[in-house]
Amino acid sequence: KQEVTQIPAALSVPEGENLVLNCSFTDSAIYNLQWFRQDPGKGLTSLLLIQSSQREQTSGRLNASLDKSSGRSTLYIAASQPGDSATYLCAVRMNTGNQFYFGTGTSLTVIP
Amino acid sequence: GEEVAQTPKHLVRGEGQKAKLYCAPIKGHSYVFWYQQVLKNEFKFLISFQNENVFDETGMPKERFSAKCLPNSPCSLEIQATKLEDSAVYFCASSRISPYEQYFGPGTRLTVT
Repeated sequence: KQEVTQIPAALSVPEGENLVLNCSFTDSAIYNLQWFRQDPGKGLTSLLLIQSSQREQTSGRLNASLDKSSGRSTLYIAASQPGDSATYLCAVRMNTGNQFYFGTGTSLTVIP
Repeated sequence: GEEVAQTPKHLVRGEGQKAKLYCAPIKGHSYVFWYQQVLKNEFKFLISFQNENVFDETGMPKERFSAKCLPNSPCSLEIQATKLEDSAVYFCASSRISPYEQYFGPGTRLTVT
């Protein structure tokens, strides 16, 4: 069974700092990987989707990388802002089946 | 619509009562997914549909949970005889085609007392 882990569980940084969130998965037979953010009491907002054949995706200040063979993905946030404060989740979809396996999440606080 | 809609936002049920949750996927999306978030960050997949057909139900508790996606109606997730441990936020997501991005609704918070 796929296990998805995110490190660190919580992170607090001053505004303006660049930061990296980590996601690791045990089964590399993934179809794609998606990064989400979840604000308190809200649903999930999709940030980036990386197909298994891709190495990275970029959107604004966000850059996500994927190393499928080693079972790792990182989400890089440049010049962090207080509005980036949220929980960040990664989720992988396997080659077989249809569901996402979610990571444990990283709770990010950006201090003004 | 352009967003996944879920109703109600909050639902409170006494233990043993029935709960029914609804989800309207984004127009044009063929796939619908249901997830259960019990603890803060633990998402559990329940079931997915391709149009009105069950695509993957490996996460569904067999005994008390059921789900449907009927043509021209919101999808539904029903829990018969709710238990305290069913208290969670239930999220619905949709995608245009299976491998594409999943777009999530705001969730329904179910509280079983």
